[in-house]
Amino acid sequence: AQTVTQSQPEMSVQEAETVTLSCTYDTSESNYYLFWYKQPPSRQMILVIRQEAYKQQNATENRFSVNFQKAAKSFSLKISDSQLGDTAMYFCAFMTPTYYGGATNKLIFGTGTLLAVQP
Amino acid sequence: DVKVTQSSRYLVKRTGEKVFLECVQDMDHENMFWYRQDPGLGLRLIYFSYDVKMKEKGDIPEGYSVSREKKERFSLILESASTNQTSMYLCASSLTGRSNQPQHFGDGTRLSIL
Repeated sequence: AQTVTQSQPEMSVQEAETVTLSCTYDTSESNYYLFWYKQPPSRQMILVIRQEAYKQQNATENRFSVNFQKAAKSFSLKISDSQLGDTAMYFCAFMTPTYYGGATNKLIFGTGTLLAVQP
Repeated sequence: DVKVTQSSRYLVKRTGEKVFLECVQDMDHENMFWYRQDPGLGLRLIYFSYDVKMKEKGDIPEGYSVSREKKERFSLILESASTNQTSMYLCASSLTGRSNQPQHFGDGTRLSIL
């Protein structure tokens, strides 16, 4: 069975600094996708960034980037120039395609890291 | 933008009641999902549906059922609510076809069972 582990329940960073959130996963599959989701306090969960396992290049989205180490099964999220609006719960998620007619993307989530950006 | 709407942000019910949580999406997505979110446990999948009238159990289906009579609507039913079902419930939807399609989430329903 696939599992996702986020070993940092809480983290804190000063505004404008850089922070890295850790995520490891376990799978025997070769074709899979990895995601980071952000859930601000009392607000909707939104997608931050995604990575396809067959792509060696690390994904980036503005101030957000990942360090994908496939052999180590590691998928960390780096947030550069942290802003107060980055304060949120961050979830790492894993998906391997499951076919029910089409591809149904069941996600397996980690337990989350609560990030606080301090002014 | 995709809109996933959950009928209630907060809900208080009593033990033994039958509880309905409703979710509607407006982007013609084939897949819909129900999760519960608990501190320290992350999100756990209860049920999902990949087409109208089709459903599959997730990781924690016990005590729940679902209904999908129309493509845009996916209901979660607590047949006889119990206090251990007090939780945050999140609905999500996604396209099928391409397997890296992200899930889009609703705002969540915080359910308290007294």
